[in-house]
Amino acid sequence: EAGVAQSPRYKIIEKRQSVAFWCNPISGHATLYWYQQILGQGPKLLIQFQNNGVVDDSQLPKDRFSAERLKGVDSTLKIQPAKLEDSAVYLCASSPLFTSGATDTQYFGPGTRLTVL
Amino acid sequence: KQEVTQIPAALSVPEGENLVLNCSFTDSAIYNLQWFRQDPGKGLTSLLLIQSSQREQTSGRLNASLDKSSGRSTLYIAASQPGDSATYLCAVNDYKLSFGAGTTVTVRA
Repeated sequence: EAGVAQSPRYKIIEKRQSVAFWCNPISGHATLYWYQQILGQGPKLLIQFQNNGVVDDSQLPKDRFSAERLKGVDSTLKIQPAKLEDSAVYLCASSPLFTSGATDTQYFGPGTRLTVL
Repeated sequence: KQEVTQIPAALSVPEGENLVLNCSFTDSAIYNLQWFRQDPGKGLTSLLLIQSSQREQTSGRLNASLDKSSGRSTLYIAASQPGDSATYLCAVNDYKLSFGAGTTVTVRA
């Protein structure tokens, strides 16, 4: 079974530029998550989709971050414009099904390391 | 807001020694707790998941305990090996996962 795929693996941009990350979850997984992991910290949930609907985006900085999962399969996360503090690893994860109050085990992709100069 | 703390932040042991990693959380109203392993440049791998009704969970050389009332979990790794070198993260689920900052483990051959 193929795992969660992410691209690109690394990205270096100047501040105020735009960047987009792509994630393809495990086939058949209904729930998709985007996390931000700043160096030395644990991952922080940015947004959670179930199929193509948003379940939780309370920690997504909506003035600059956006995400979509149009066909309920793969997803893109965009930052526009980027700031220095956005330097982090962006992790995508998927799980089979989200039931309110409990989660299945999440399967993580390798992440995209973003450096903003 | 759930706060998750992991102590120590880093640990270095000789091969063969048992490892003890600690995790504490502030809100005991959780559904489950997971321990993950993270290798450099790679994503997270789930090691153990303990439901809130369970006291412990075991897999091979790994054993995790959960004391929900005191807000603590401990991951034990028996007879450590150099291949156990990684960062170990705990995450509590109280409708979403809240992660600690991790403990970076180095096992010296």
